[in-house]
Amino acid sequence: SAVISQKPSRDICQRGTSLTIQCQVDSQVTMMFWYRQQPGQSLTLIATANQGSEATYESGFVIDKFPISRPNLTFSTLTVSNMSPEDSSIYLCSVPGGRGRTEAFFGQGTRLTVV
Amino acid sequence: DAKTTQPPSMDCAEGRAANLPCNHSTISGNEYVYWYRQIHSQGPQYIIHGLKNNETNEMASLIITEDRKSSTLILPHATLRDTAVYYCIAGYSTLTFGKGTMLLVSP
Repeated sequence: SAVISQKPSRDICQRGTSLTIQCQVDSQVTMMFWYRQQPGQSLTLIATANQGSEATYESGFVIDKFPISRPNLTFSTLTVSNMSPEDSSIYLCSVPGGRGRTEAFFGQGTRLTVV
Repeated sequence: DAKTTQPPSMDCAEGRAANLPCNHSTISGNEYVYWYRQIHSQGPQYIIHGLKNNETNEMASLIITEDRKSSTLILPHATLRDTAVYYCIAGYSTLTFGKGTMLLVSP
């Protein structure tokens, strides 16, 4: 299984500011996924980030609000821009299991509180 | 991804088998059945997946019906640490999470 490290693990931010979340994987992966989990809710896919191309966003999520970078095959960042209290959630990155494997593995998440 | 239906909650006594059902009646031929669990405040943990055949690993067993419209995750000897939300997902490259089943294992 892939080892995924997310930073920061948690943060408290002022409304109107932005936070960049980092996701580092211990192996090269083509696709990385970013999810949001709002309080008491299930996970919702924000976007799929492929190295060398623009991220693909799911319905309800836009690049201006959640810009994603994917500079190489082991790293990605998700920025939550112009934050409001409604952005308070756990943000998780995920990667596929590797060659020939379809299951996915998740980081421990970034718990964001916007005040 | 096909829609899945799971009971919102289940209870299990420690040491007994936990059998978690999932309905995925609209699953398509190339979609796998995946099970993940999420222990409070942690990232989801992969448990097991299968396409047609029953599968077993060190964590659990997955029983898929012959018509693939439903499946059951079996934790053979549940422990307190198995208390978590269990998600059943029918899909392929991307995962669509439903509400899952909250499994409470009690002493």
